[in-house]
Amino acid sequence: SQTIHQWPATLVQPVGSPLSLECTVEGTSNPNLYWYRQAAGRGLQLLFYSVGIGQISSEVPQNLSASRPQDRQFILSSKKLLLSDSGFYLCAWSATGGRNYGYTFGSGTRLTVV
Amino acid sequence: DQQVKQNSPSLSVQEGRISILNCDYTNSMFDYFLWYKKYPAEGPTFLISISSIKDKNEDGRFTVFLNKSAKHLSLHIVPSQPGDSAVYFCAVNNQAGTALIFGKGTTLSVSS
Repeated sequence: SQTIHQWPATLVQPVGSPLSLECTVEGTSNPNLYWYRQAAGRGLQLLFYSVGIGQISSEVPQNLSASRPQDRQFILSSKKLLLSDSGFYLCAWSATGGRNYGYTFGSGTRLTVV
Repeated sequence: DQQVKQNSPSLSVQEGRISILNCDYTNSMFDYFLWYKKYPAEGPTFLISISSIKDKNEDGRFTVFLNKSAKHLSLHIVPSQPGDSAVYFCAVNNQAGTALIFGKGTTLSVSS
């Protein structure tokens, strides 16, 4: 069966520090991968999605970047965190090939920038 | 501009009664609609979906209704249970079909 792992669960980082959140998927090949953020009062905001290795699409210009170095690995990064980067970050995957609508989300990372 | 709107941030319902969560969308080209449920500190989980070729889809206590002319969908939970207390997100596929667009969510509280 397919599983998605996301870590760490919680993170407190000072302003100006770097960030690296990792997400891996098991049990499937060539998944579509997504990073979402849930900020207070903002709902679930799509940040990045990837349909293949090295293919990253950004939905919202911001202080963050994403990379997909391997088929089932998706990384969210920042060189210098801002206070406004605080939020609940969620990684998700869906099957590729045609329009598949089922997303499976990871358990999320609560990031607090202080 | 929001493409998916959930105008009620919260809803309180008594156990056993019906919960109705609403969602409006702006683009008549959207053709597949989903509801997700989220508990605090967890990722959202898929609840129920509906294609634009239907106007109703039912799964146990959960029913989703789609009104294409009004660009409106709703989720009915009958009977509501305390375990249903969570944030409910409405979602649609973006126009490219590459990602889901979510509403801001409605927090449902079911009291016993």
